[in-house]
Amino acid sequence: EVQLLESGGDLVQPGGSLRLSCVASGYIFSTHVMSWVRQAPGKGLEWVSTISDVAIYYADSVRGRFIISRDNSKNTLYLQMDSLRAEDTAVYYCSRGGGCFSGVCFWPDYWGQGTQVTVSS
Amino acid sequence: DIQMTQSPSTLSASVGDRVTITCRASQSISSWLAWFQQKPGKGPKVLIYKASNLQGAVPSRFSGSGSGTDFTLTISGLQPDDFATYYCQQYNSFPWTFGQGTKVELK
Repeated sequence: EVQLLESGGDLVQPGGSLRLSCVASGYIFSTHVMSWVRQAPGKGLEWVSTISDVAIYYADSVRGRFIISRDNSKNTLYLQMDSLRAEDTAVYYCSRGGGCFSGVCFWPDYWGQGTQVTVSS
Repeated sequence: DIQMTQSPSTLSASVGDRVTITCRASQSISSWLAWFQQKPGKGPKVLIYKASNLQGAVPSRFSGSGSGTDFTLTISGLQPDDFATYYCQQYNSFPWTFGQGTKVELK
């Protein structure tokens, strides 16, 4: 059974930093593209970042402040978040799947339960 | 960026009803569209991928159609477990974008 478990969310002051983790199990982690998607309180879903073995993508709203990475030996996806702003307050979800390869595009087929990030003084 | 416009934002329905949610892309996304269901405090669950393909173990009362820019999600025979919020998402290109969501509530 595919499972994604996020952690690392916390209350942090504006300008602060946080690192989120997502531990994957139930499949071969290294062979899948991974993403972060967030949801602000009472709002819809917003894509944040995606990592494959050949490319990394960021939303304009986080580019230059957030860094996505992965450790395939630990089956873990990370999101390093720096220079945090109030508008980064959200539940952050990791998801499996994505990207287009040889004309075929893949969707995020499994999602975690999310971890709460609150940016406030 | 590709804009996804989803409607309605709220839908009031009864158990057994047939409900339809629409999603329009600002440019063609071929069939690279997914539909998700989300319940409070939970992560999204994929229902449909590639516009009309049912994700494994999803009940057959859910169906999707469309291509290019116009898409629909239909629930044929609404069940109590289906009261939730639904989102469309294009994965044709980055940045991925989502519709604003449709909350299906009990009439």
